[in-house]
Amino acid sequence: DADVTQTPRNRITKTGKRIMLECSQTKGHDRMYWYRQDPGLGLRLIYYSFDVKDINKGEISDGYSVSRQAQAKFSLSLESAIPNQTALYFCATSDGYRGLEGLYGYTFGSGTRLTVV
Amino acid sequence: QKEVEQDPGPLSVPEGAIVSLNCTYSNSAFQYFMWYRQYSRKGPELLMYTYSSGNKEDGRFTAQVDKSSKYISLFIRDSQPSDSATYLCAMSRDYGQNFVFGPGTRLSVLP
Repeated sequence: DADVTQTPRNRITKTGKRIMLECSQTKGHDRMYWYRQDPGLGLRLIYYSFDVKDINKGEISDGYSVSRQAQAKFSLSLESAIPNQTALYFCATSDGYRGLEGLYGYTFGSGTRLTVV
Repeated sequence: QKEVEQDPGPLSVPEGAIVSLNCTYSNSAFQYFMWYRQYSRKGPELLMYTYSSGNKEDGRFTAQVDKSSKYISLFIRDSQPSDSATYLCAMSRDYGQNFVFGPGTRLSVLP
C-alpha cells in the first residue's frame, strides 16, 4: 500500500457542487498538506496542519476548507466548486522534527485530478 | 515577480548528456533547498536535499547552491530515458517551515 493515499484519483463535477477529496497516510507523520498544481504555476499551498488541533491557511485557501479527522487523515473540501478550481490536487506529509537528511522532505500522494465543468 | 522561478522547458537532450536544471529565487532568507522529481501522473518524490551553500553529490546527481547569486542547480550526468520527468525545486527559510516550490522544468531524455 502507498504511504500516502488519495481518493478519488479522478473526479469530474459540476459547478456549484460540494466535493471532498480525501487523504490518508501510514507514515506516522504529524504534518499534512494540501497543494494544487497548475501548469506554469507549480505547486501552491492550500492548507496545512501540524497536528490534529492545528489547521492553517496557505497562500490560496479561498473557496476551500479542510478537516483533520485524525493524525492519519486530512480531507479537503470545495464547498461550491467553480471551473477555475480545475487542477491536480496533492496531499503531502512530513515529519518536521527529525534529522536533516531526507526525513524532513515531503511525501506526496499520487494526486487527484479534478475537473469542474 | 514569483518567489521561485524555473525555466519551464520542455528540455530535450540525448541519452548520455549532462543536464543542468536551474532555479532562481528572490528571498535571500531561504537556506534549505530541495529537488523533487515528478513522473507523469505521479506525485513529486524527493531527490536531493541541501542546506545553505555548496555542493552535494548522490550518484549521477549533483545539487549546487549559490546563495550569493540566489541560484540553485541540479546536474544530471549520463542522463537516461528514465530521467524523463518534471523537476521541481523547493526552498524554505527555516528548519520546520513550509517549502515554496518552483513551477518545474520538464525534461525529456531521448534514447
